[in-house]
Amino acid sequence: QSALTQPPSASGSPGQSVTISCTGTSSDVGGYNYVSWYQQHPGKAPKLMIYEVSKRPSGVPDRFSGSKSGNTASLTVSGLQAEDEADYYCTSYAGSNNLFGGGTKLTVL
Amino acid sequence: EVQLVESGGGLVQPGRSLRLSCAASRFTFDDYAMHWVRQAPGKGLEWVSGISWNSGSTGYADSVKGRFTISRDNTKNSLYLQMNSLRAEDTALYYCAKDTSSGWTGGSDYWGQGTLVTVSS
Repeated sequence: QSALTQPPSASGSPGQSVTISCTGTSSDVGGYNYVSWYQQHPGKAPKLMIYEVSKRPSGVPDRFSGSKSGNTASLTVSGLQAEDEADYYCTSYAGSNNLFGGGTKLTVL
Repeated sequence: EVQLVESGGGLVQPGRSLRLSCAASRFTFDDYAMHWVRQAPGKGLEWVSGISWNSGSTGYADSVKGRFTISRDNTKNSLYLQMNSLRAEDTALYYCAKDTSSGWTGGSDYWGQGTLVTVSS
């Protein structure tokens, strides 16, 4: 099974919204509501931002939201802030294993 | 606050074995599934393996299937990863992570700081 497909980079100005996509297949993203998103700052462990497509863990700002349509999941960051600049990874359950996307570097201009 | 502390990493020759451990505390360990996730230097995250709360279900990445074995001891609040036939491409920082649920399908809401495995002659 191949990794999920994410754009390598995304950017936006403070206050703007940006959406990062995560494309898989009907065997992973499209087949299950088990898509998660992680934020990782350099040298730090990943942080869970969204799980089960659209659920937000306690403490994650509601500026972060998740959705899914068919085989593509999306993470939207609204009201961009400087501290949102990080790498973002999606992951999906795929039946017999889990798959990660290649990651997207989000730059706040 | 949940605590996950990995250990057992180090320098190992290709073809040899290594066993990673993860000591969990400050949560009810046997209520949750657990994962191993790795990150090669300068690269992205790669899911390695997951295990359900009672060890009844496990999963492996294709890249490690048949070489790595995940296990847990709920009496010791510990997670393990037995890694055999190690290859250079297994070189990475290995993270232990707690799932949000009892099965290993969900997201991981707590992570350790990782243990570095270097496979080289």
